[in-house]
Amino acid sequence: AQSVTQLGSHVSVSEGALVLLRCNYSSSVPPYLFWYVQYPNQGLQLLLKYTSAATLVKGINGFEAEFKKSETSFHLTKPSAHMSDAAEYFCAVSRTSFQKLVFGTGTRLLVSP
Amino acid sequence: ETGVTQSPTHLIKTRGQQVTLRCSSQSGHNTVSWYQQALGQGPQFIFQYYREEENGRGNFPPRFSGLQFPNYSSELNVNALELDDSALYLCASSLGTGTSTDTQYFGPGTRLTVL
Repeated sequence: AQSVTQLGSHVSVSEGALVLLRCNYSSSVPPYLFWYVQYPNQGLQLLLKYTSAATLVKGINGFEAEFKKSETSFHLTKPSAHMSDAAEYFCAVSRTSFQKLVFGTGTRLLVSP
Repeated sequence: ETGVTQSPTHLIKTRGQQVTLRCSSQSGHNTVSWYQQALGQGPQFIFQYYREEENGRGNFPPRFSGLQFPNYSSELNVNALELDDSALYLCASSLGTGTSTDTQYFGPGTRLTVL
């Protein structure tokens, strides 16, 4: 069975600071990995995806994530936080591209001025 | 190009009732996936429909059922509602082959409250 663990239900940063959201996965097969963002009262928006190509994946809004097989991690980073980044972030895994996404419990990012 | 839409936005039901939630997929998409997101949790996969056939199911009881229509829109039906069914129900559409799909685009969800 596949699963993801997101460390930290809440992460607080100051505007302009580095954003680091952690995700570790468990998969018996090479995984497909994703990060989604959810703004209040909205659905999920795809930030980026890893599909076994480059291990460093760049996404929208300045976010990127690095796939590290040895650490079974896929952490999300952004060099400089913006107020508009405040939202809930979900890491997800699947066996094949976008089939039956398995989500983590989410991390709420709080950005203070 | 219209995005994924869901109706209704909010719904209140009582235990034992039945509910139908609707999803209109994005133009050109042939695959619809449904997810349940309980408060404070990540979404959980309910099932997926590809070209009007169920194409994978999560760990949900048979009282959760679905349909996909020729225009690829979809319905989620839940019978004998329980209090734990209270959640945000998300629909996602994508262009797929049956064994894999491209990016899943999510709708805004339907908030179901069971009293």
